[in-house]
Amino acid sequence: GQSLEQPSEVTAVEGAIVQINCTYQTSGFYGLSWYQQHDGGAPTFLSYNALDGLEETGRFSSFLSRSDSYGYLLLQELQMKDSASYFCAVDSGNTPLVFGKGTRLSVIA
Amino acid sequence: KAGVTQTPRYLIKTRGQQVTLSCSPISGHRSVSWYQQTPGQGLQFLFEYFSETQRNKGNFPGRFSGRQFSNSRSEMNVSTLELGDSALYLCASSSEQVAGELFFGEGSRLTVL
Repeated sequence: GQSLEQPSEVTAVEGAIVQINCTYQTSGFYGLSWYQQHDGGAPTFLSYNALDGLEETGRFSSFLSRSDSYGYLLLQELQMKDSASYFCAVDSGNTPLVFGKGTRLSVIA
Repeated sequence: KAGVTQTPRYLIKTRGQQVTLSCSPISGHRSVSWYQQTPGQGLQFLFEYFSETQRNKGNFPGRFSGRQFSNSRSEMNVSTLELGDSALYLCASSSEQVAGELFFGEGSRLTVL
């Protein structure tokens, strides 16, 4: 089976940096995705890591360590609009994405 | 191009009834997946369709079913509704060329009374 663990809640200050961790257990692994979901909205794709290392897209970066079955999403220069839920999801190839339960990020002034 | 469209956006049913939800994927996307989202439980996979064939199925009872049409539009049906079926049902489409990326609709929020 597959399982993912991520913190349920994180609070950070506007302008700061926050890291959301994700550990996974899976029988097959192709890559790790991250999604953002605002309250009442649809999940939207942020990033996908297939190889070890850090990938940067603007204020957001995502990291993967395949040997540690671990990844994280890094949000820099936090803004109030970043308050949302963030989900990691495992891609195991020809099976559907399996999502973690999500991390609710609250950005405070 | 237009995103994933789900209808209806909100609906209220009573126990024992059945419901049909519709999803129109992004033009050109042949894969459609359905997820159930409840508070604190993340997104639970229901089923995936590709070119009118069910490719994968999650661990949900047989009351949950779906299908895909030749134009890639998909429907899911839940029969004999239970209170626990109250949830946000999300549809997502994807391109076979891009790994790990799903395009989600706004969802259909079902309340069972």
